[in-house]
Amino acid sequence: GNSVTQMEGPVTLSEEAFLTINCTYTATGYPSLFWYVQYPGEGLQLLLKATKADDKGSNKGFEATYRKETTSFHLEKGSVQVSDSAVYFCALSNLTGNQFYFGTGTSLTVIP
Amino acid sequence: AAGVIQSPRHLIKEKRETATLKCYPIPRHDTVYWYQQGPGQDPQFLISFYEKMQSDKGSIPDRFSAQQFSDYHSELNMSSLELGDSALYFCASSLGGDGYTFGSGTRLTVV
Repeated sequence: GNSVTQMEGPVTLSEEAFLTINCTYTATGYPSLFWYVQYPGEGLQLLLKATKADDKGSNKGFEATYRKETTSFHLEKGSVQVSDSAVYFCALSNLTGNQFYFGTGTSLTVIP
Repeated sequence: AAGVIQSPRHLIKEKRETATLKCYPIPRHDTVYWYQQGPGQDPQFLISFYEKMQSDKGSIPDRFSAQQFSDYHSELNMSSLELGDSALYFCASSLGGDGYTFGSGTRLTVV
């Protein structure tokens, strides 16, 4: 079956620190992979995505590379800001795109 | 650009009442999905529709039903509400499984 395992939080970092949030997946075939961000009291916003192996998704300084050999899609950012404080969800979509499978979410707090 | 519109944004209902949540997908998107996110939980897939037909079903309780109309908007009907139904309900839409976009959600509180 399909599933996503995500690094547990909460994560607290100082501003300008390096961020890594680990995500690994189990899937049938070659799913598309996503990172979504959820700010307090808001909905899910697509942060970045990758649709095939070795693709790198990037947005707002965040990056993640689709690694088929390690079934991973780790999220990274070189220098976090206070405004990056949010919950980050790793997700995959099944082959038909009918359904998303989410990780449990990682709460990030960035302190000045 | 147009986004996925959900209404209402907030809804308060009493136990055993009925609630109807609405979702208006991005124009020309043919697929609608519903998710439920409990407090501190990850979103759980409920149900999806493609071209007005149910295409996939997840952990949707029997008390809930949904449909997609001719204009592609979708409604999630929830009856005999329970306290545990309090959650954020997301709708998403896509065109053939691509361009997956979430709405801002409806926060349902059952008291």
